[in-house]
Amino acid sequence: KAGVTQTPRYLIKTRGQQVTLSCSPISGHRSVSWYQQTPGQGLQFLFEYFSETQRNKGNFPGRFSGRQFSNSRSEMNVSTLELGDSALYLCASSSGTYTGNTIYFGEGSWLTVV
Amino acid sequence: GEDVEQSLFLSVREGDSSVINCTYTDSSSTYLYWYKQEPGAGLQLLTYIFSNMDMKQDQRLTVLLNKKDKHLSLRIADTQTGDSAIYFCAEQGKAAGNKLTFGGGTRVLVKP
Repeated sequence: KAGVTQTPRYLIKTRGQQVTLSCSPISGHRSVSWYQQTPGQGLQFLFEYFSETQRNKGNFPGRFSGRQFSNSRSEMNVSTLELGDSALYLCASSSGTYTGNTIYFGEGSWLTVV
Repeated sequence: GEDVEQSLFLSVREGDSSVINCTYTDSSSTYLYWYKQEPGAGLQLLTYIFSNMDMKQDQRLTVLLNKKDKHLSLRIADTQTGDSAIYFCAEQGKAAGNKLTFGGGTRVLVKP
């Protein structure tokens, strides 16, 4: 069974640009969550999508957005990139029908903003 | 709000047992997780425990939960050099959907 797949793995963007990251969850999983990991702030929750609807949202500015497609694949977008957006972005997948389902993570997308 | 705390660093000799501790504040936590992160990699799920359990054992891993004190620990028996990594505990609140709140991570160094 394939795991959580994130693309691209590494990317470099310039301040002011926008970026889109993609996540394919484990087959059959309907919940996708996104996290940002930085040395200073650690792992912080961005948002969760379940059945194409945002179910939960963290404390990030509106420049961070996401969506989920009917096949459960998810994308997150960051507009008007800032240097502080440089981070590892992790996607998590679970069956998600109720709390407590096992949550698996992908390898992440490393974003560097220059 | 929710808060999860871990010690920063643990050094252990190969073959010894490692114990990583974690405290959390959310009394409505339903599940508590342990993840392992190696350099340049994502998070690998090691194990998890439901909040109405006291202990869970999975091969070399033992999780102990003291719900009264909101204290969670992960014991790794016969620690190997491949266990060197950062270990994160995370809690999932009752009304949180699949949102996890993570601790800052404990860096474990296994010395030969």
